Amino acid sequence: AQKVTQAQTEISVVEKEDVTLDCVYETRDTTYYLFWYKQPPSGELVFLIRRNSFDEQNEISGRYSWNFQKSTSSFNFTITASQVVDSAVYFCALDGGGATNKLIFGTGTLLAVQP
Amino acid sequence: NAGVTQTPKFQVLKTGQSMTLQCAQDMNHEYMSWYRQDPGMGLRLIHYSVGAGITDQGEVPNGYNVSRSTTEDFPLRLLSAAPSQTSVYFCASSPDRAAWQPQHFGDGTRLSIL
Repeated sequence: AQKVTQAQTEISVVEKEDVTLDCVYETRDTTYYLFWYKQPPSGELVFLIRRNSFDEQNEISGRYSWNFQKSTSSFNFTITASQVVDSAVYFCALDGGGATNKLIFGTGTLLAVQP
Repeated sequence: NAGVTQTPKFQVLKTGQSMTLQCAQDMNHEYMSWYRQDPGMGLRLIHYSVGAGITDQGEVPNGYNVSRSTTEDFPLRLLSAAPSQTSVYFCASSPDRAAWQPQHFGDGTRLSIL
């Protein structure tokens, strides 16, 4: 069975702090894809990043960085120097492919960045 | 470019009423899907379609019907609304069913069943 666990329900930080959002996944597939989506207070879902199971290189995009470790089945997301605009719910998701394209979502982490 | 358009944005129904949530995309995407978002449960897949004329059930299909007569449209029908169907519904699309494709989401429909 496939599963995504985001153990942190809510995180509150003060602006300019660094924050890491945890994501742990379970799958028996050898090929799979991991995603992060952002849901700001306005409600839409915004794609942030995709990572395939064969690429364990960390990725950095501005203040955002992602750490993928197959050994611990984790795909953690770090925001450096957080800003109020980063306040949102962040979802980690897993897609194992197969006959269908099914995203399995974690329950999300609500990040509140205080000014 | 409109992307994925969902209508209505908000709706209140009484128990037992039926209604259709509309979803349209203008990107010529083959794959479309419906999710519901409930507090503490993330997003769960209701139904999906890999192309016109083809639909299949997701994780939580009971109480919902779908059809895919065109590539562009993928409506979700609530046959007899129940309070348990109070949720935020998201439609999503991607070019094809490949697992590496990120999903393009609509803005959601907030549905309340009284």
